[in-house]
Amino acid sequence: AQRVTQPEKLLSVFKGAPVELKCNYSYSGSPELFWYVQYSRQRLQLLLRHISRESIKGFTADLNKGETSFHLKKPFAQEEDSAMYYCAYPNGSGNTGKLIFGQGTTLQVKP
Amino acid sequence: NAGVMQNPRHLVRRRGQEARLRCSPVKGHSHVYWYRQLPEEGLKFMVYLQKENIIDESGMPKERFSAEFPKEGPSILRIQQVVRGDSAAYFCASSKDRPNTGELFFGEGSRLTVL
Repeated sequence: AQRVTQPEKLLSVFKGAPVELKCNYSYSGSPELFWYVQYSRQRLQLLLRHISRESIKGFTADLNKGETSFHLKKPFAQEEDSAMYYCAYPNGSGNTGKLIFGQGTTLQVKP
Repeated sequence: NAGVMQNPRHLVRRRGQEARLRCSPVKGHSHVYWYRQLPEEGLKFMVYLQKENIIDESGMPKERFSAEFPKEGPSILRIQQVVRGDSAAYFCASSKDRPNTGELFFGEGSRLTVL
């Protein structure tokens, strides 16, 4: 079965430390992958997508097909990065609305 | 420009009652998706609808659950004869088209508690 795995429920770092939120997928094709973020008291929103190869709020994510991973990284964490992060990818050909989400990782950035 | 609006935000029902959750998509969006988040779990896809059509309901439980997106008005997720296991957060999302880039716009969720 196609799955997205985020092995860490909670990741706690100090401000200024590097951050890596792990995401592994099981998928036999060429996946499109996304990171969504939910800040406290806000809606779930798209953070970045791998096809655009962009950096948003200092975050980047590289698709590693060999390791089937799409880890989210930031070199220097900020307190405002504290949030819940979800890795996701679409299931089913031609319908990228049917996203499979990982369990989510809570990032806690301490001052 | 209002985002996806869901109501009620919180709903309490007793076992056996019906729950109706409403979702108004972003203006101009014709695709609606419902997700469920059980406690301590991630978001699980339930159903994908376009106006007056159910496109994919592969994530819907076979009984008691139904969804619609009428020509006029919001999308409705209906749960009949609720049980305690239905207690969850139900999220609605919308998109303008079937996006190739996967961006969905989410509502704030409706939290159902079954007593």
